[in-house]
Amino acid sequence: NAGVTQTPKFRILKIGQSMTLQCAQDMNHNYMYWYRQDPGMGLKLIYYSVGAGITDKGEVPNGYNVSRSTTEDFPLRLELAAPSQTSVYFCASSGTSQYNEQFFGPGTRLTVL
Amino acid sequence: LAKTTQPISMDSYEGQEVNITCSHNNIATNDYITWYQQFPSQGPRFIIQGYKTKVTNEVASLFIPADRKSSTLSLPRVSLSDTAVYYCLVGDNNNDMRFGAGTRLTVKP
Repeated sequence: NAGVTQTPKFRILKIGQSMTLQCAQDMNHNYMYWYRQDPGMGLKLIYYSVGAGITDKGEVPNGYNVSRSTTEDFPLRLELAAPSQTSVYFCASSGTSQYNEQFFGPGTRLTVL
Repeated sequence: LAKTTQPISMDSYEGQEVNITCSHNNIATNDYITWYQQFPSQGPRFIIQGYKTKVTNEVASLFIPADRKSSTLSLPRVSLSDTAVYYCLVGDNNNDMRFGAGTRLTVKP
């Protein structure tokens, strides 16, 4: 199993550009999550999904959108990139229970200039 | 949401036992206590989870007193590779658990 994979690893965007961060898991997990982590800080939940077709906002959803058309994939969309979105983005998944351990991907480092 | 408080940083030496305490005074009846470890440039990794008393696995122990208002992560005989940030999370589902700033553990030779 590859676990949770994320692409790209690094990306530089200009203000106002858009992009999609890809996340996939091969563990047949129901739950998937997107976090951002600013330097020296903990992770903040952006969006989460409890299954295909179901998504909900987390702590810091503004400026982002998600979709969950399949169990495996959970892409995060930035429509109008802003410098405040410069961060490291982590995707995670967890199994059948809402408090099961989360498995994290390697992260995407995004810089908006 | 249960708020957690942990020390910002701790230092230790190789071979010592390290105990990191987390305070969660407003923990709810259905809340679990979960600890994650994060190395630089990596995503967090699950260490241990518990509800009450003591839980032990191959890497750590988690001690939870009867009132559940605090918990202690115990790392036996740490090595240099245990240098990382450790997060304490409290909640009954991952959507509501919050990663605070964590405890930065530095293990010295």
